[in-house]
Parts: sequence; C-alpha cells; structure tokens
Amino acid sequence: DVVMTQSPLSLPVTLGQPASISCRSSQSLVHSDGNTYLTWFQQRPGQSPRRLIYKVSKWDSGVPDRFSGSGSGTDFTLKISRVEAEDVGVYYCMQGTHWPRTFGQGTKLEIK
Amino acid sequence: EAQLLESGGGLVQPGGSLRLSCTASGFTFSNYAITWVRQAPGKGLEWVSGINSNGGLTYYADPVKGRFTISRDNSKNTVFLQMNSLRVEDMAVYYCARGLTSLGDIWGLGTMVTVSS
Repeated sequence: DVVMTQSPLSLPVTLGQPASISCRSSQSLVHSDGNTYLTWFQQRPGQSPRRLIYKVSKWDSGVPDRFSGSGSGTDFTLKISRVEAEDVGVYYCMQGTHWPRTFGQGTKLEIK
Repeated sequence: EAQLLESGGGLVQPGGSLRLSCTASGFTFSNYAITWVRQAPGKGLEWVSGINSNGGLTYYADPVKGRFTISRDNSKNTVFLQMNSLRVEDMAVYYCARGLTSLGDIWGLGTMVTVSS
C-alpha cells in the first residue's frame, strides 16, 4: 500500500500568519492517465470531512483562495496564506491513484 | 442540493452483522462512484471500500476484504455496505462520499457503528 506521511502532525499558528502542511507518498502518484490524484481534506471539530483541493492544486467550489495546493510526484504541500479562526481542524491528504486509497495521519491546526 | 445520507449504524456484538445504506439526492446517482470511509473514535480517516457507477467494479481495504460487501441499487439511489463478522476494531463512524479517485466533493454526515459485547 502507498504510505502517505504528513508533517507536522500538530500545527499551532497565530491568526493572520501563514501555515504549511507537507504530504509525502511512498510511491509516485502520477496515474497512467497522466493525472496526479492527490486530494486535501479539512475536518472541523464535530463535522464531516470537506474536500478543499483535488488533483494537487484544483480548488473546490466555495474554498477560500487563501488555501493552495502544490507539488508533484511524491511531494505535496497545502498552504494557507493567512490563517483564520475558522481554519481550526484536522487536515488530511489522500491519494486516489493506487488501490487501496490511503490517507495521511492528519495534521491538527490550532490557533496559538 | 446534492446530498448523501448514511443510515443503518448501531450497536452490534463481535461477530455480528450490519448493513449500512448511503442514499443520494440532488444529483444523477447512476453517474457516480461511491466510497465508504471510516473514522474510529479519536482517530484519522481510513478508506474502506468503493464501487463504480454501475456496480460492476468494487474495491476493498485489506482489513475488511472477505467480511464486507459493497453493492448499489441505482433505482433506489442507494449504496449498501454489508458488514459481517464484525470486530471491535471495526467500531467507527462510517461516511459515504462521492467519487473514487478525487473522491469527496460530497460527504454524508456519517453513521456510528459500535461493536461491543
């Protein structure tokens, strides 16, 4: 199975400051169709997960543009340009290229 | 508005069975694959199973292979997850989500499965 490794696992951030989460995969996530199926989810406390970014860098509808995704191959990053209070929660990366699908361990973002 | 709604969770003894349902509304269900993801209390997300749009292809995580069966009834806009031989480690909130590759543009609210004697 493809192992997804996130860092850091805990991310205290001051309001208005940037934040960055790394996600590394044990195998390349480039699919035979040429796409890279790396997805980022946000899970606020007590809520279902919400998809933020898919195919590495594509925004979902309604996602603020302070969120951005980047990367290629096995190395990916989610960045928040200026953290707001509503960003508190756990962030997961997930690969959709290989079977079985696998998630990262999650990164807990909190306000300092 | 496109929605998914899970049902069928509850308390079951180890070795018992449950059937979860994921019912869709607000979109053309038969055009979309569906995935089940679970989350044990206080833990992260774990991919469980997926099914393509016509039900012809199914996929399972190793921990549930041979015990869980995913199926769908497009006439009822519903995907099912039949869970047999349940173990304590299967205890979790079970979510269904739309899609198989870039899954998760829509998630349900989840249904809790408790496995305990």
